[in-house]
Amino acid sequence: GAGVSQSPRYKVTKRGQDVALRCDPISGHVSLYWYRQALGQGPEFLTYFNYEAQQDKSGLPNDRFSAERPEGSISTLTIQRTEQRDSAMYRCASSLKPGREENEQYFGPGTRLTVT
Amino acid sequence: DAKTTQPTSMDCAEGRAANLPCNHSTISGNEYVYWYRQIHSQGPQYIIHGLKNNETNEMASLIITEDRKSSTLILPHATLRDTAVYYCIVRGSGSARQLTFGSGTQLTVLP
Repeated sequence: GAGVSQSPRYKVTKRGQDVALRCDPISGHVSLYWYRQALGQGPEFLTYFNYEAQQDKSGLPNDRFSAERPEGSISTLTIQRTEQRDSAMYRCASSLKPGREENEQYFGPGTRLTVT
Repeated sequence: DAKTTQPTSMDCAEGRAANLPCNHSTISGNEYVYWYRQIHSQGPQYIIHGLKNNETNEMASLIITEDRKSSTLILPHATLRDTAVYYCIVRGSGSARQLTFGSGTQLTVLP
């Protein structure tokens, strides 16, 4: 596709359930980022990958959150035992390549997660 | 990455230039200034970035002061579709790859 795609676009789940959010970056983009955005605030960094390697996961709030990108393309963000405070928009972004002056990040439409 | 300070909101008349200021007084020599915007509930959109020289592209111009402690994003002829939250982000070229978004400036273009 032409841009970053994310699925599902909306997810409603009950507290305690696990959820998996998918990101399909722009073809050929090396770097992939996950952000979380609360209503009325800017996106907050969670983790990022270069190819299949997770480079930084310092933004993951706790060990219920994990991410993978096994083949260096599609990525999955998994939240185990969801809690109401996990409700937010989860955004994925990709960029062409890492480098001294990195290319811009292209953001997907996001997945709106609601935990009831 | 250095912290940025932006006004919470601004208005601009349609067809006029929108000048959005950003203070980044603690910026260091290898840190770039990036601008993104977010229209309603869409994902953030890259606008422009620069190190120390002024930059221009098809969307906007970026003016960085000589001491690099502040910058201004200029939308030369604002349209209603430019209504958005504009984020000024200072980012190093080293190990930190992620974008650190602040609260941004809500720009409202008025008809």
